[in-house]
Amino acid sequence: QKEVEQNSGPLSVPEGAIASLNCTYSDRGSQSFFWYRQYSGKSPELIMFIYSNGDKEDGRFTAQLNKASQYVSLLIRDSQPSDSATYLCAPRGSSNTGKLIFGQGTTLQVKP
Amino acid sequence: DVKVTQSSRYLVKRTGEKVFLECVQDMDHENMFWYRQDPGLGLRLIYFSYDVKMKEKGDIPEGYSVSREKKERFSLILESASTNQTSMYLCASSSTHRTDTQYFGPGTRLTVL
Repeated sequence: QKEVEQNSGPLSVPEGAIASLNCTYSDRGSQSFFWYRQYSGKSPELIMFIYSNGDKEDGRFTAQLNKASQYVSLLIRDSQPSDSATYLCAPRGSSNTGKLIFGQGTTLQVKP
Repeated sequence: DVKVTQSSRYLVKRTGEKVFLECVQDMDHENMFWYRQDPGLGLRLIYFSYDVKMKEKGDIPEGYSVSREKKERFSLILESASTNQTSMYLCASSSTHRTDTQYFGPGTRLTVL
């Protein structure tokens, strides 16, 4: 079993729809969870983090965390073509080294 | 704003050359990381450092070494470059706080001929 699993996609949604990106992780000691967006040829940039069970909203983005199920998700409302990118899920390991365990990423395509 | 810089955006080297990739961060972060990213393989951790002169192997350390003589600078060294080390190399830094993320540099695309 991979430490972090994401559906590689591509996930294709029409402009204005809700995109739902999912991630499961194996380290029960993980306490913080990060979502990065990566455009082709660019480095990853942080868009959301969450460390408490439940939902966290920031603009069009909502992160959801369920530690009991070891599941974290990212919802993008009113998807725009500019949201087309690869989204990386990254739980932070239980040590204090700051090490993140990256999933392979889900490619999102938003079609006009 | 956190700034992580890398010495080169693009680099072309020949097989057998010694290659230095440098990374500098300006946020006084304790932790620094080197990754490589290849299509279909995602981000793979090569080495990381949690303090000056301290280092730990990541998932794919073979063929690489690192140096951290100052807190703000973390260097990745390819002792004898090979064609299978052609890749995008990404540096990142973070603090030790549990909610702090990693901040990435712009990346160096290395081609080994």
